[in-house]
Amino acid sequence: DARVTQTPRHKVTEMGQEVTMRCQPILGHNTVFWYRQTMMQGLELLAYFRNRAPLDDSGMPKDRFSAEMPDATLATLKIQPSEPRDSAVYFCASGLATGVGTGELFFGEGSRLTVL
Amino acid sequence: GQSLEQPSEVTAVEGAIVQINCTYQTSGFYGLSWYQQHDGGAPTFLSYNALDGLEETGRFSSFLSRSDSYGYLLLQELQMKDSASYFCAVLLNQAGTALIFGKGTTLSVSS
Repeated sequence: DARVTQTPRHKVTEMGQEVTMRCQPILGHNTVFWYRQTMMQGLELLAYFRNRAPLDDSGMPKDRFSAEMPDATLATLKIQPSEPRDSAVYFCASGLATGVGTGELFFGEGSRLTVL
Repeated sequence: GQSLEQPSEVTAVEGAIVQINCTYQTSGFYGLSWYQQHDGGAPTFLSYNALDGLEETGRFSSFLSRSDSYGYLLLQELQMKDSASYFCAVLLNQAGTALIFGKGTTLSVSS
């Protein structure tokens, strides 16, 4: 059963600490997305990759957030230093980008981050 | 900027039909997707429209009018398990590498 796997599922940390979230996309998928979900803003696109190359990270606060794909089976989202306003659920999603998009992404279960 | 507008809440009773509208203004447009998210869960894909018209998948149908920058999700024969949030999402490019979501509509189905 292919699925997107995210770790950790829950994280509570103190302001100023570094947070790293990890995602294993579905094998064979060539696009990976990071979204942040809050009640106020909904699902915000933070960054996305195609074939491990970052295509757009304009949705991320550059001074504290970074996203990477060290290999095809791992995507990471790092926050350093974390702030209380970063508290949210962070979703990773993967998909298969071909010549014609299908609008279908497969989401992980999310990482719920609380920054105190 | 990108803008997708949908109602924040909709309520209905079991067995009824409900329509969730979505209007969009985006820098690019190749198609409109709909996702369902149960409380605390992951969003799951429901449907995708690239061309004008109605797409039917069981009890759910989705409609798109590109000229009006408008689409809707139609849910028929509502069941309690349909209580969830529903998101419209615009595919910004043909390769499928950028999907922008609306803020979601919370559907509450009562008996």
